[in-house]
Amino acid sequence: QVQLVQSGAEVKKPGASVKVSCRASGYSFTSFGISWVRQAPGQGLEWMGWISTYNTKRKSAQNLQDRLTMTADTSTSTAFMELKSLGSDDTAVYYCARDVENYNDYWGQGTLVTVSS
Amino acid sequence: QSALTQPPSASGSPGQSVTISCTGTSSDVGGYKYVSWYQQYPGKAPKLIIYEVTKRPSGVPDRFSGSKSGNTASLTVSGLQAEDEADYYCSSYAGSTNFKVFGGGTKLTVL
Repeated sequence: QVQLVQSGAEVKKPGASVKVSCRASGYSFTSFGISWVRQAPGQGLEWMGWISTYNTKRKSAQNLQDRLTMTADTSTSTAFMELKSLGSDDTAVYYCARDVENYNDYWGQGTLVTVSS
Repeated sequence: QSALTQPPSASGSPGQSVTISCTGTSSDVGGYKYVSWYQQYPGKAPKLIIYEVTKRPSGVPDRFSGSKSGNTASLTVSGLQAEDEADYYCSSYAGSTNFKVFGGGTKLTVL
């Protein structure tokens, strides 16, 4: 069955970077893109970006494109999201999700990133 | 980019129907067939319930239906059940520049 398993919770200081992994299984990794979505505490979903696992083409939300790096390792079927220069408003649960023609049919369990001094 | 506009809350009694709106612009909802809806329980990941405006993934009850008129998409939940109490989010493709946008979410309460 399709599964996306994300790395564990992180606590970071302001100004630091965080890298979250998303390991895919149960399907051909390069046949679907991966989207990254975050959710601040008590808030709604925010689309962060998308990466093609086939050719590594990327799209990022305009407010994050200077700080967001998305990569994909096809040898391990793992996608990565790195966010730099963290601030308190980056505290959120970060999700990866399989992307199918602009909708997301399978989601990871989420990774809580807490930014605190 | 601006989020799509959803009502913060909606409610209905068991067995009733409720409709949640999702308003965007001609650059997102009105311009493409790629509107999707997600159900999210507290502390859980979102779950896809509607894609491409009207389609239901396998396993999603047919009590859930989607539609679109102009720049507004809608999710209708018929025959409300207690288990439908959750947060619902719409999403739309927004073109090659903005790519994708979510609505602010609607908390559905089953009275």
